[in-house]
Amino acid sequence: QKEVEQNSGPLSVPEGAIASLNCTYSDRGSQSFFWYRQYSGKSPELIMFIYSNGDKEDGRFTAQLNKASQYVSLLIRDSQPSDSATYLCAVKGLEYGNKLVFGAGTILRVKS
Amino acid sequence: EAQVTQNPRYLITVTGKKLTVTCSQNMNHEYMSWYRQDPGLGLRQIYYSMNVEVTDKGDVPEGYKVSRKEKRNFPLILESPSPNQTSLYFCASSPRTEDYGYTFGSGTRLTVV
Repeated sequence: QKEVEQNSGPLSVPEGAIASLNCTYSDRGSQSFFWYRQYSGKSPELIMFIYSNGDKEDGRFTAQLNKASQYVSLLIRDSQPSDSATYLCAVKGLEYGNKLVFGAGTILRVKS
Repeated sequence: EAQVTQNPRYLITVTGKKLTVTCSQNMNHEYMSWYRQDPGLGLRQIYYSMNVEVTDKGDVPEGYKVSRKEKRNFPLILESPSPNQTSLYFCASSPRTEDYGYTFGSGTRLTVV
């Protein structure tokens, strides 16, 4: 059964704090992992992808992948009100027919 | 500007009246997909296309058709819409496979009454 799970939230953090968004997946053989950001009423946009265990940093964003524990996280440092959005995790794996499966998303609210 | 263009943005129709949602990309991408987004369910793939004349079913293909006669265009056809197809639809494209990440269109909100 396809399963990519995210806490729906909302996750509320104060401005300037670190926001930590988590995603777990069921397919142990998954190879590709993506984070998309979706503002209210808008389309998803790709912000990070990661293929290897460990951390990948891009500006204020860090993706963390732990294949043994089957989770991928997104950290947002120095959170800004403009980061308030829904964050979608997407995973591609053989168990999913080698197709991308999206989680339902986590709502992030950054309060000023 | 590199983009995926969907039309219309909003559509209200009646049960059984055939409709087409157009999708066009100007990035010469090979891979295109249609998704529907429903509250609590996330994005679910309807159909995808790996190149011209190559299409395949996604997770929720029932009630939909697609075609890929040209690389840039990937229309979604609802032959006989029903209320359970009321949803937010996104077209997306990627250079070769999903591993390159998608560029999404701005979405079509469809209501079937």
